[in-house]
Amino acid sequence: KQEVTQIPAALSVPEGENLVLNCSFTDSAIYNLQWFRQDPGKGLTSLLLIQSSQREQTSGRLNASLDKSSGRSTLYIAASQPGDSATYLCAVSTSGSRLTFGEGTQLTVNP
Amino acid sequence: DTAVSQTPKYLVTQMGNDKSIKCEQNLGHDTMYWYKQDSKKFLKIMFSYNNKELIINETVPNRFSPKSPDKAHLNLHINSLELGDSAVYFCASSQYASGLAGTQYFGPGTRLTVL
Repeated sequence: KQEVTQIPAALSVPEGENLVLNCSFTDSAIYNLQWFRQDPGKGLTSLLLIQSSQREQTSGRLNASLDKSSGRSTLYIAASQPGDSATYLCAVSTSGSRLTFGEGTQLTVNP
Repeated sequence: DTAVSQTPKYLVTQMGNDKSIKCEQNLGHDTMYWYKQDSKKFLKIMFSYNNKELIINETVPNRFSPKSPDKAHLNLHINSLELGDSAVYFCASSQYASGLAGTQYFGPGTRLTVL
């Protein structure tokens, strides 16, 4: 059974700092990995999707890496801003379309 | 031009009632999902439909019945609501090609409160 763990559970940083969120999964037989952002009381917004054959994806200040063999992914956020404050969720896709989520990292960026 | 929409946004009801949540996507995707986010914010898949066919059915009480009238809609009907059903329910969609699912797009969620 696939299990996804995210560390840390919460993170508070000053504006402008670079930061790394970590995600690990127990079964390396994944199809892809997605990073989402969830704002309080809102739905999920997809940030990046990395296919199992890829090593990383970049979008603006975000960079996600994937090491499938070790069951790890990181989300790097450069030059953090208060607007980045949200919960970040990692999810892995197995059996074609099933997404298994981690419990999220709650990020607060202080002005 | 909402991509994935759900109605209602909030639903407050008494224990024992039957209720439905509707979901529609205008992305042209062929796969739709229902997820449940509990009070601890943990998201877990409930159902998935591909081209109106059920492909994922997690261990969910049979009081929950998904219905997909067409590829753009996936509704969730819940019978005999219980206190433990209180949660936020999210609908999502993606394009499923060659056994791989693309990016999943989520609706805004329906907050269900059972009193």
